[in-house]
Amino acid sequence: GAGVSQSPSNKVTEKGKDVELRCDPISGHTALYWYRQSLGQGLEFLIYFQGNSAPDKSGLPSDRFSAERTGGSVSTLTIQRTQQEDSAVYLCASSLVGGAYEQYFGPGTRLTVT
Amino acid sequence: TQLLEQSPQFLSIQEGENLTVYCNSSSVFSSLQWYRQEPGEGPVLLVTVVTGGEVKKLKRLTFQFGDARKDSSLHITAAQPGDTGLYLCAGENNQGGKLIFGQGTELSVKP
Repeated sequence: GAGVSQSPSNKVTEKGKDVELRCDPISGHTALYWYRQSLGQGLEFLIYFQGNSAPDKSGLPSDRFSAERTGGSVSTLTIQRTQQEDSAVYLCASSLVGGAYEQYFGPGTRLTVT
Repeated sequence: TQLLEQSPQFLSIQEGENLTVYCNSSSVFSSLQWYRQEPGEGPVLLVTVVTGGEVKKLKRLTFQFGDARKDSSLHITAAQPGDTGLYLCAGENNQGGKLIFGQGTELSVKP
């Protein structure tokens, strides 16, 4: 596709349920990043993929959060046993390679935990 | 932990006024980026500054990177309503491209 796409665009879930968020990066981009943005705030780094491996998982807030990337393309962020504090916009970005290259962001998935 | 302090958090001005947004840290960054984000969309890169003391201009926007590469500023001349949005600074430190973001500045330019 022309840009980074994310699905779903909005997700409302009940506390305690698991959710999966999907990111389709720009074709050919080897680096993929997940960030979280609370209302009106800056972005908080979660995890970085180079190809299918994740050299930096330092931003994952707890062991309820996990992510994988397959085929060097699509990535899925999974949140288990969701809590209300998980409510935020989850943004995915990709870049040609890791490092100081421009990151292109998707529109995000707005997650609301009730 | 590297942090970026961005100020002001909110700014409401009239069309035609000038403004400056600041981004400060106690840490050195290899590069610093400025993004603009509109509601319901992801951030869009405006500029990347790499060299200490560097100044870049993008039409009415002027970006400066501090000599020590710890701080940056964004100056907008003669602001327009179309400049309204969330402005974010982000530092990169040669760790795979992971960006450390400031809290953002919500700019509103009234006609």
